[in-house]
Amino acid sequence: QKEVEQDPGPLSVPEGAIVSLNCTYSNSAFQYFMWYRQYSRKGPELLMYTYSSGNKEDGRFTAQVDKSSKYISLFIRDSQPSDSATYLCAMSALMNRDDKIIFGKGTRLHILP
Amino acid sequence: GAVVSQHPSWVICKSGTSVKIECRSLDFQATTMFWYRQFPKQSLMLMATSNEGSKATYEQGVEKDKFLINHASLTLSTLTVTSAHPEDSSFYICSAPTSGSNEQFFGPGTRLTVL
Repeated sequence: QKEVEQDPGPLSVPEGAIVSLNCTYSNSAFQYFMWYRQYSRKGPELLMYTYSSGNKEDGRFTAQVDKSSKYISLFIRDSQPSDSATYLCAMSALMNRDDKIIFGKGTRLHILP
Repeated sequence: GAVVSQHPSWVICKSGTSVKIECRSLDFQATTMFWYRQFPKQSLMLMATSNEGSKATYEQGVEKDKFLINHASLTLSTLTVTSAHPEDSSFYICSAPTSGSNEQFFGPGTRLTVL
């Protein structure tokens, strides 16, 4: 079993819809959970960063972590064509420069105008 | 946020040649930088951790003699792909954490194509 599983998509939704992106993981030591957005041929950009379980909201984005189920989600409200990108979940046990961040494969998202 | 740059943004080379990729932290100092490789439709895979003033730490399965890393200053790390082959064609991305936060800032990536 891979440490982090993420459906690669592509996921196509109409503009204005709510998007739900998810990852599952196997390592119970993970405590820090991140979502990155990556546009084609660009480096990843950090969107959301959550510690342990719970929800975190930032504008149209909401990150949820359920450590008991080893399941994390990213919700995008009022989706826009500019949200079209690949979204990578990532996680680590510690959050210091000595610890590795493990990435999911990324989900390609297309927002249809 | 902090800015990390990479140069070149893309490179095409012949099989057997060596290619150097630079990663710079533009507005902060980075004692540690990370090098990742990303194949199409695949996840970012950590190749090595670059440490300023000391040897890099390589992940299992990454050939240290093929992927030479030099972190000579607090703002620059270089990755040299030696004797490149077509299977080395990939997207190489570096990242660096700032000292004030645990967030890692990624460079824009370098696309290497080996003919």
